[in-house]
Amino acid sequence: GQQLNQSPQSMFIQEGEDVSMNCTSSSIFNTWLWYKQEPGEGPVLLIALYKAGELTSNGRLTAQFGITRKDSFLNISASIPSDVGIYFCAGQLRDEKLTFGTGTRLTIIP
Amino acid sequence: DAGITQSPRYKITETGRQVTLMCHQTWSHSYMFWYRQDLGHGLRLIYYSAAADITDKGEVPDGYVVSRSKTENFPLTLESATRSQTSVYFCASTGTSWNEQFFGPGTRLTVL
Repeated sequence: GQQLNQSPQSMFIQEGEDVSMNCTSSSIFNTWLWYKQEPGEGPVLLIALYKAGELTSNGRLTAQFGITRKDSFLNISASIPSDVGIYFCAGQLRDEKLTFGTGTRLTIIP
Repeated sequence: DAGITQSPRYKITETGRQVTLMCHQTWSHSYMFWYRQDLGHGLRLIYYSAAADITDKGEVPDGYVVSRSKTENFPLTLESATRSQTSVYFCASTGTSWNEQFFGPGTRLTVL
């Protein structure tokens, strides 16, 4: 099945730094979603993007729907310890089926 | 309490046994989903349901059976468990938009 290429696979940053991650696909999507997952829990939706070029913020998080509809980006500004977790992107073309990326594991170095 | 729950949270079973994972949501969401999460694969859709008595296959449906006789419940059955079905299983429900999507806490299944 189709998968999204999510990069980087892992990040080690210091508290206060900004974070950038992205997701790319060989196919277009109509919706891009970004999730965060903490250990032992299910993913939690952070941001939903519904049209090409859209830029949406949720607190310190900002995500963008790529113009080509084949990519999306997530930025976290001024990281804090509670940002630790695995971030997933997901794309939707039609129906209610989502294709997920393989995740970016974020670790904050004290 | 409102929410989405899964049971059991942990299950160990043997190859060939039948196992049923339960999912219950209290929002009356129309859509419900089952995903499996494996290292290196992210989440992959097994089955989903648009409403009671309506189900459809996802990306990896082989070896699984679902039913949805009531809106709030969406059980997933492994009819004859195999080791390759060792995974963490997540149930999710969605309302009228993706902003109303919620995942359960997951069931960690080990097939020996």
